[in-house]
Amino acid sequence: SQTIHQWPATLVQPVGSPLSLECTVEGTSNPNLYWYRQAAGRGLQLLFYSVGIGQISSEVPQNLSASRPQDRQFILSSKKLLLSDSGFYLCAWGLRESEKLFFGSGTQLSVL
Amino acid sequence: AQKVTQAQTEISVVEKEDVTLDCVYETRDTTYYLFWYKQPPSGELVFLIRRNSFDEQNEISGRYSWNFQKSTSSFNFTITASQVVDSAVYFCALSDMTGYSTLTFGKGTMLLVSP
Repeated sequence: SQTIHQWPATLVQPVGSPLSLECTVEGTSNPNLYWYRQAAGRGLQLLFYSVGIGQISSEVPQNLSASRPQDRQFILSSKKLLLSDSGFYLCAWGLRESEKLFFGSGTQLSVL
Repeated sequence: AQKVTQAQTEISVVEKEDVTLDCVYETRDTTYYLFWYKQPPSGELVFLIRRNSFDEQNEISGRYSWNFQKSTSSFNFTITASQVVDSAVYFCALSDMTGYSTLTFGKGTMLLVSP
């Protein structure tokens, strides 16, 4: 069966520090991968998605970047965090033919 | 552009009551998918249902039912005989049919079911 791993679960970082959140998927090949952010009191916002290794589409211009170095690995990064980067980050995977997304357990990021 | 509106920010009910969560959407696409996800306190989103825009049949799954009305661009979700375990944030979402699942989510409705 397929599983998605996302870590860390919580992270507290000072403003201006770098960020690296990692997400891996098991049990499937060539998944579509997604990063969403859920800010306090708001819905989920799509940040990036990837349909293959090295292929990244950005939905919202911002302080963040994403990379997909391997088929089932998706990384969210920042060189210098801003206060506004605080939020709950969710990684998800899906298969092109199903349109259904499966989400990881999320990372609560607090930038202080 | 796509948009999903969940006008109810928070709903509180007592156990065994029926509750309906509203969802209204906007899209220029003629074909699309609609979804409902549940986010319990643990944070992980759990898929509940996906609906094709060309299938307007209502669906029932146990205590859950969904009413899709294309004429009013609504996809409402009803929980019958609510239980405390139903307490969660529920998200309605919309995506096109390109295969990339770039879902547009509503802001969510927090459902609190008290014993």
